[in-house]
Amino acid sequence: NAGVTQTPKFQVLKTGQSMTLQCAQDMNHNSMYWYRQDPGMGLRLIYYSASEGTTDKGEVPNGYNVSRLNKREFSLRLESAAPSQTSVYFCASSELRESELFFGSGTQLSVL
Amino acid sequence: KNEVEQSPQNLTAQEGEFITINCSYSVGISALHWLQQHPGGGIVSLFMLSSGKKKHGRLIATINIQEKHSSLHITASHPRDSAVYICVLNEKLTFGTGTRLTIIP
Repeated sequence: NAGVTQTPKFQVLKTGQSMTLQCAQDMNHNSMYWYRQDPGMGLRLIYYSASEGTTDKGEVPNGYNVSRLNKREFSLRLESAAPSQTSVYFCASSELRESELFFGSGTQLSVL
Repeated sequence: KNEVEQSPQNLTAQEGEFITINCSYSVGISALHWLQQHPGGGIVSLFMLSSGKKKHGRLIATINIQEKHSSLHITASHPRDSAVYICVLNEKLTFGTGTRLTIIP
């Protein structure tokens, strides 16, 4: 079992470019999450999906869109990347919203 | 905002010492999680607890819902315990900024 798989692991973008971060889990979890981690800030929730077909904004949703494509996959899209979006992005999943969390290995994104 | 505060922010100890990391929060919660982030960046879940105490190997987590406080203890600390420990409240919506633990051989 792979658990939570994130792609890519590293990405460099120019300001204004777009990209999609992919996340897939093979644990049949209902809930999936996208976080960003910045030095000194801790992890902050961008968007979450409590179940297939639903998405909700977290603490820092501006500049991002998400798609819960199916139960397995939850993607994060940056439509027009900005230097402020330079961060490490983590995807996570849980069976329910109050169950143990499982994290992907992270995506290090730099926007120049 | 600071709904959750961890202390200390940094902790350096000698191998074998008993370690305590604290998490205080200001909102009502149904459960609290402790996570470990390794120096390479990977994050693993250590505990999820809603009351009392849980133990896994050398790690012990306690929570007092009334006092809005949780602690993570490590007995007989080892250099491989060096990591950032993060408490998480309220359905994964609020994270502490973490405690960076360094165990010196």
